[in-house]
Amino acid sequence: DIQMTQSPSSLSASVGDTVTITCRASQNILSHLNWYQQKSGKAPNLLISVASTLQRGVPSRFSGSGSGTDFTLTITSLQPEDFATYFCQQSYSPLPYTFGQGTKLEIK
Amino acid sequence: EVQLVESGGTLVKPGGSLRVSCAASGFSFSDHGMNWVRQAPGKGLEWVAYISSSGNTIYYAHSVEGRFTMSRDIARNSVYLQMSSLTAEDTAVYYCARQVMYVRENQLYYYALDVWGQGTSVTVSS
Repeated sequence: DIQMTQSPSSLSASVGDTVTITCRASQNILSHLNWYQQKSGKAPNLLISVASTLQRGVPSRFSGSGSGTDFTLTITSLQPEDFATYFCQQSYSPLPYTFGQGTKLEIK
Repeated sequence: EVQLVESGGTLVKPGGSLRVSCAASGFSFSDHGMNWVRQAPGKGLEWVAYISSSGNTIYYAHSVEGRFTMSRDIARNSVYLQMSSLTAEDTAVYYCARQVMYVRENQLYYYALDVWGQGTSVTVSS
């Protein structure tokens, strides 16, 4: 199975900051990489698919990049509603899908 | 409104069985593969199972294979997860999630989980 290593596991930042979360796959997954945001007690929400495609309604301060084994999620000008946990997920065939362990973004 | 609503989660004893359900609405259910993803308390996300749009193809995580069975009922716009031989390690919130497919250059297909239910809580404890 493909392993996803996400870092950091937690991150403290202030409103207005720019943060970057990284995700590394154990093998080449091309651009089969998605990013999800999960707020406390809620279901995950798809932010970015195919490594860099922003979902409809997701603010443009979110961006994704990378291909192959190394990927990043960048959030610029952090807003209070962005403090949440973020997960990467590989969707390279065949199954199983695997998720990174998550990055908890907290207010400094 | 596109919606997934899970139900059926409860407290069950170790070794017991349980079926959780997910009712879909607001979209063409028969066009989408569906997944179950779980999250143990305070932990990350773990993909559990997938069923194709037709129901003909089903995959399971190694951790549940042989114990869990996923199915779908097109007429009821629902998917199910029948769980047996439950252990404490199966304690989690179980989410159903719709699979979406994107086609990119060179006819490459990409997949993501674009709609999630609110989850149903399963606790395995004596």
